[in-house]
Amino acid sequence: QKEVEQDPGPLSVPEGAIVSLNCTYSNSAFQYFMWYRQYSRKGPELLMYTYSSGNKEDGRFTAQVDKSSKYISLFIRDSQPSDSATYLCAMQETSGSRLTFGEGTQLTVNP
Amino acid sequence: DVKVTQSSRYLVKRTGEKVFLECVQDMDHENMFWYRQDPGLGLRLIYFSYDVKMKEKGDIPEGYSVSREKKERFSLILESASTNQTSMYLCASLPSWDRFEKLFFGSGTQLSVL
Repeated sequence: QKEVEQDPGPLSVPEGAIVSLNCTYSNSAFQYFMWYRQYSRKGPELLMYTYSSGNKEDGRFTAQVDKSSKYISLFIRDSQPSDSATYLCAMQETSGSRLTFGEGTQLTVNP
Repeated sequence: DVKVTQSSRYLVKRTGEKVFLECVQDMDHENMFWYRQDPGLGLRLIYFSYDVKMKEKGDIPEGYSVSREKKERFSLILESASTNQTSMYLCASLPSWDRFEKLFFGSGTQLSVL
């Protein structure tokens, strides 16, 4: 069983939709939770990160962590065609430990 | 802005060839990484380096070696390329392990081994 599970999609939504991307994990020691966005033919870039549990909001993006359920989510409000990308969740136990990545979810937002 | 540059965007090599993938970062980062990215498997860490001439194995080091002779440059070497090494290779750098920092990735090298 993988330490981090992420539905690879693909996910296709109309412009303006609310998008929910999710990851589950099995390692209860994970404390840092990240979302990376990867455009086609580019490397991943950090979109958001959260330490421990709770929510974090940045514009149209909201990251949620539920440590009791070992479940993290990324919500995108008012999705735009420019949001079309692969979204990878990533986790680490401490700031000095290796990252464990999910498989990535491919999202397409149709105009 | 930090720039991580991978020397080739696409490479086609033959089975048995020795392959060098080069990565250069311009922000004096201590740490550098090589990942491979495959459908269904995500990003997997091959090797990383936390200082010049220092290296550590990642999760899938078999069939690979690395070299870091200068701080800004980290090379991945496939000693004898095999078809199962066909993949997207991503280099990344990290400023510090001391606090939370984001990884800076290059654009990747798509390697095909025929």
